[in-house]
Amino acid sequence: DSGVTQTPKHLITATGQRVTLRCSPRSGDLSVYWYQQSLDQGLQFLIQYYNGEERAKGNILERFSAQQFPDLHSELNLSSLELGDSALYFCASGATGISNQPQHFGDGTRLSIL
Amino acid sequence: GESVGLHLPTLSVQEGDNSIINCAYSNSASDYFIWYKQESGKGPQFIIDIRSNMDKRQGQRVTVLLNKTVKHLSLQIAATQPGDSAVYFCAENFYGQNFVFGPGTRLSVLP
Repeated sequence: DSGVTQTPKHLITATGQRVTLRCSPRSGDLSVYWYQQSLDQGLQFLIQYYNGEERAKGNILERFSAQQFPDLHSELNLSSLELGDSALYFCASGATGISNQPQHFGDGTRLSIL
Repeated sequence: GESVGLHLPTLSVQEGDNSIINCAYSNSASDYFIWYKQESGKGPQFIIDIRSNMDKRQGQRVTVLLNKTVKHLSLQIAATQPGDSAVYFCAENFYGQNFVFGPGTRLSVLP
C-alpha cells in the first residue's frame, strides 16, 4: 500500500460530460502529480501541485484542470469528454516540490467514455 | 483486467532464476532514475532508485545498474518468484524537469 488514495476506482460516462477525480497524497507529502496512462502512450505527466500551488505543467489539455486544497488533497477535472480521454488516471505524491525524488502512486481511476 | 500496454516486450523467466530487465533512457543529462513495478489493476509501485553519481545500487533481491556512457539502466531481480510477474518500467529525471517513463517490459515467471 503506497498510502496514496484515489477515488473513484472506475468511472463510466458519456462524451461531452465532466468528471472529477480525487487524490489524497501520502501523509506528509506536499506534492501531487497527475498522470494519464493509455495503452498506446504509456505514462504521460499532466500537472504537478505543490503545497496548493501549481508547480509544473506537462501534456495537459485545456479541457483538463486541477487544484490542490489546503488539506493537500487534489482533484483533476476533465470536461467536454471525448472518446480519446478513456484511460487510466494516476496521481502520485512526493515529499517536496522538487521532481527528482521518489514518487508514490495510487491505484488510479479507470475512466471509460462511451 | 488489462491495464498496461498490450504489445510490450515480454521477458519469460523460470521461477528461481535471475531476471534482467533493460531500459535505454533518452536524455544524457538525466541524473535520477527510478524502477517501477506495475501489476494488473494497480498503480506503479516504487522498487528502487539511483542517482547519476552511482553505478550500482542494491535493494532487497533487486539491483539497479546505471551505465551513463551508453544511457542504459538495468534491473536485476534475484531468485525470481511468481509474485514478480508484472510490467516493469524505468523513469528518468533531469533536475527541475518531470519524469519521462519508458514503455515497460512485461515479466512473466514460469513455474
